Amino acid sequence: DVQLQESGPDLVKPSQSLSLTCTVTGYSITSGYSWHWIRQFPGNKLEWMGYIHYSGSTNYNPSLKSRISITRDTSKNQFFLQLNSVTTEDTATYYCARVPTATYWYFDVWGAGTTVTVSS
Amino acid sequence: ENVLTQSPAIMSASPGEKVTMTCRASSSVSSSYLHWYQQKSGASPKLWIYSTSNLASGVPARFSGSGSGTSYSLTISSVEAEDAATYYCQQYSGYPLMYTFGGGTKLEIK
Repeated sequence: DVQLQESGPDLVKPSQSLSLTCTVTGYSITSGYSWHWIRQFPGNKLEWMGYIHYSGSTNYNPSLKSRISITRDTSKNQFFLQLNSVTTEDTATYYCARVPTATYWYFDVWGAGTTVTVSS
Repeated sequence: ENVLTQSPAIMSASPGEKVTMTCRASSSVSSSYLHWYQQKSGASPKLWIYSTSNLASGVPARFSGSGSGTSYSLTISSVEAEDAATYYCQQYSGYPLMYTFGGGTKLEIK
């Protein structure tokens, strides 16, 4: 079974960059699917952030486009989130998730999530 | 951006009751691209119903989904204690490419 696991610092200072890793086991991220980052704010609102396609192309939420980058390391079967110039508004639980490509565009597998607090 | 509004925000039901929650979109959504997730406290969301009415693997048959255009619903025919969770709808639009979620309906069991 495919599994996704997020990792990274749980505390980031304002104005710094937030960097998270999603490690995928049980499936190669270059074989298919698109690989996404989603966050859930305190109060439970969910926000899609962006994805990296198995081909390596990326797409981002326009509201984050100037601050976000999603990359990957195919040798480690990992993909990464970098969010620049964070503020306290970026405090959230961050999930990585998978979407089957060329189908119905739902998130079929999620990681357990990692909570990041932005605070000085 | 297509905004999804879920109602009610919180609902309470007794075991055995039938419950229905709704998801309304600000613009029409293809029924193929409207999905539901269940999230229990402290856990990540799970795909629950995809493409309006298709139950994900392992989802009990007491759940059903329906709808079209701007109005969708999730129904539980006979609520059980294990159904206590928050349910989110989600839609995909291709242009501009965007995935959006509703604000959720929290189901409490009496």
